[in-house]
Amino acid sequence: EAQVTQNPRYLITVTGKKLTVTCSQNMNHEYMSWYRQDPGLGLRQIYYSMNVEVTDKGDVPEGYKVSRKEKRNFPLILESPSPNQTSLYFCASSSGVFSEQYFGPGTRLTVT
Amino acid sequence: GENVEQHPSTLSVQEGDSAVIKCTYSDSASNYFPWYKQELGKGPQLIIDIRSNVGEKKDQRIAVTLNKTAKHFSLHITETQPEDSAVYFCAARPYALNFGKGTSLLVTP
Repeated sequence: EAQVTQNPRYLITVTGKKLTVTCSQNMNHEYMSWYRQDPGLGLRQIYYSMNVEVTDKGDVPEGYKVSRKEKRNFPLILESPSPNQTSLYFCASSSGVFSEQYFGPGTRLTVT
Repeated sequence: GENVEQHPSTLSVQEGDSAVIKCTYSDSASNYFPWYKQELGKGPQLIIDIRSNVGEKKDQRIAVTLNKTAKHFSLHITETQPEDSAVYFCAARPYALNFGKGTSLLVTP
């Protein structure tokens, strides 16, 4: 089944404790991205990647890092999480910039 | 960058009625306009999209119209059903995909 998977689905952590949210797709897609979803603000792009080893900032990149060492994986790293990063995070992939984006099921992160 | 405005933020209709959600965008370079549906606890899923060289596109009960001159596009759902209840997002893309803030649609039986 074609899908985007994210882990963990739920995470509660404390301020400053480094964490990684994994994202993997099995569709051989070149384009991957991370979004955060907050009430009243919709979906905002954090980072995106056009291909392996190519990443770029989205609208809200501060406090986040990503890497794209393999085509299928695109982890999101929070080196020192803060409470304002409490949010619902989605990973997405597509075969190209103008192609349908497939979203993962989301990761709900709470930083206390 | 691109700014996408979406209205209304909430919409309640009776089953069988039509629902219309409107979006405006700011960047005249935008040329791809998808609509996503997000059900509770799930990620957004593409339901229909339109490119700038097309004025209207239909898929069964769903249609999207685009007015490039006025920089607005709309989602039309006819003969609504309770399973249409969800949050709908419009988006516009000159390059990166920029989303509207979403419309929570409730279809009551």
